[in-house]
Amino acid sequence: EPEVTQTPSHQVTQMGQEVILRCVPISNHLYFYWYRQILGQKVEFLVSFYNNEISEKSEIFDDQFSVERPDGSNFTLKIRSTKLEDSAMYFCASGQGFQETQYFGPGTRLLVL
Amino acid sequence: SQQGEEDPQALSIQEGENATMNCSYKTSINNLQWYRQNSGRGLVHLILIRSNEREKHSGRLRVTLDTSKKSSSLLITASRAADTASYFCVYSGAGSYQLTFGKGTKLSVIP
Repeated sequence: EPEVTQTPSHQVTQMGQEVILRCVPISNHLYFYWYRQILGQKVEFLVSFYNNEISEKSEIFDDQFSVERPDGSNFTLKIRSTKLEDSAMYFCASGQGFQETQYFGPGTRLLVL
Repeated sequence: SQQGEEDPQALSIQEGENATMNCSYKTSINNLQWYRQNSGRGLVHLILIRSNEREKHSGRLRVTLDTSKKSSSLLITASRAADTASYFCVYSGAGSYQLTFGKGTKLSVIP
């Protein structure tokens, strides 16, 4: 069964450094998403991406964040200058249709020191 | 806030018993979904119920939806230790791409 994959599974970085989190969505999906979950808290939406552009973003998704689909298979989240409070589990998700099921990857645990 | 509220926040049952979790939400929806998460790991999709459906089954799972009360329930029958996880009801508001998560119900199934 096809699944969403994410790399790396864990990343440790120094405050102020740039990180890129990578995702490979399910191949025939058209809608792509990033969410995050700070330890012990609820899952929060960051951004959705459809038709090669951001379709919706939350207040969390400020100028430090960007997303890209550089080729036909990868979907990336870049954090330009990480802060301590960016430490969280970051989940990528993809779906076939608008407001249809979103399938989540296993997550990347980011720790900013 | 549009986030849903799951009830109870934690539930502990014996293996073989049924587990019922409830959810309330505050906005108009096209569908509602239930997800499971094991110990802060990945989110697994369980079931999607559309706003014109009242009940849906999938294996040992039964989901109900009452749009007039803006509530849903998830029933897991004949629970197993492997069902131990956090369960979330998740939905999108009208015209929105994002899924809104509540804090979830933490289910513990004791062997």
